[in-house]
Amino acid sequence: DAGVIQSPRHEVTEMGQEVTLRCKPISGHNSLFWYRQTMMRGLELLIYFNNNVPIDDSGMPEDRFSAKMPNASFSTLKIQPSEPRDSAVYFCASSRGQGYQPQHFGDGTRLSIL
Amino acid sequence: KQEVTQIPAALSVPEGENLVLNCSFTDSAIYNLQWFRQDPGKGLTSLLLIQSSQREQTSGRLNASLDKSSGRSTLYIAASQPGDSATYLCAVRSANTGANSKLTFGKGITLSVRP
Repeated sequence: DAGVIQSPRHEVTEMGQEVTLRCKPISGHNSLFWYRQTMMRGLELLIYFNNNVPIDDSGMPEDRFSAKMPNASFSTLKIQPSEPRDSAVYFCASSRGQGYQPQHFGDGTRLSIL
Repeated sequence: KQEVTQIPAALSVPEGENLVLNCSFTDSAIYNLQWFRQDPGKGLTSLLLIQSSQREQTSGRLNASLDKSSGRSTLYIAASQPGDSATYLCAVRSANTGANSKLTFGKGITLSVRP
């Protein structure tokens, strides 16, 4: 079975531009998670969805960040406008159910904002 | 607020050594604890998941234990190999109402196994 698929793998863009990160969860998984990883702060949960509905977005840093899950097989994380401090690796993960099953991670999107 | 600590941040051992990686967490009200492995430039691979009612889980040369009351978990790696070199992260799923899926991660231990 295919794992969690993220695109693009790398993104380099200039400050102020809109950035859209994409994620396809594992088929049959109904929970989806967006994380951000930096050297300073480690891995942080940004938002998670259950059955396509956002459950907890308390980790979203500010209004410049938004996430959507229009259907069970696709999610986006958008940053508009982007800033250099948004540079990080963004991971998407999915799991079957909310709490008792392991989360499976994609390979991440390495984002650099110049 | 749950906090997860992994010390030391880095570890270097010779091949063949048995080793223990430590993880501590501040709030013992957890659903489960998960150990991950992360290779450079890659995502996280789930190694072991221990439910709060369990004491340990084993997979091959890996054994993870959980002492919920003391807020500790260990990952034991037997007969380490150079291929075990990676960063190992511990993550705790807290039992907070309304956020029962939130994983809180430690910053990881970067392991280097020397041939």
